[in-house]
Amino acid sequence: GNSVTQMEGPVTLSEEAFLTINCTYTATGYPSLFWYVQYPGEGLQLLLKATKADDKGSNKGFEATYRKETTSFHLEKGSVQVSDSAVYFCALSGGTSYGKLTFGQGTILTVHP
Amino acid sequence: DGGITQSPKYLFRKEGQNVTLSCEQNLNHDAMYWYRQDPGQGLRLIYYSQIVNDFQKGDIAEGYSVSREKKESFPLTVTSAQKNPTAFYLCASTGNGGAGNQPQHFGDGTRLSIL
Repeated sequence: GNSVTQMEGPVTLSEEAFLTINCTYTATGYPSLFWYVQYPGEGLQLLLKATKADDKGSNKGFEATYRKETTSFHLEKGSVQVSDSAVYFCALSGGTSYGKLTFGQGTILTVHP
Repeated sequence: DGGITQSPKYLFRKEGQNVTLSCEQNLNHDAMYWYRQDPGQGLRLIYYSQIVNDFQKGDIAEGYSVSREKKESFPLTVTSAQKNPTAFYLCASTGNGGAGNQPQHFGDGTRLSIL
């Protein structure tokens, strides 16, 4: 079946630091890949997505590239802000599970001023 | 504004009681989903529905039930058979028949606790 593995958290950074959150996946076929963000007490919001190999998703300064050769979709941001503090989830859809999302365990990010 | 509305925001369950969580969407989406979120475990799929009057079990369906009588509504009942119901429950929906390349839209969740 499908699976997603995210880097262990929590991650604590100072404002303007560089962020990387690693995500690797296992799936058959050609899944679509997503990053979602969750702020305290809220649901998940789509941050970015990529639907085929070598696609780069980007939004609000965050980027991730769909790497089929390494089965990875690492999230990066060049300069984080305090307002980026949240939980980040990597997820995939497709492969053997049409229409269903498989999530990683989430990575808590805290950014200090 | 279009979106997904979950209610109530907080819910308390007594021993032996069934409780129902509401999920309504006005996005005209075909597919709807229920997830359970526990600390450090990400989200796990409880049930999903890709069309009215049809639904499928997810990975952790035991102790839960759903119905899909209307396109815009997908209520979840947590039955007394669910022995560990304390969690954050999230409802989601997606268009295009649930095609894998479409992102899911989420409600703001219901936090369920045991009294």
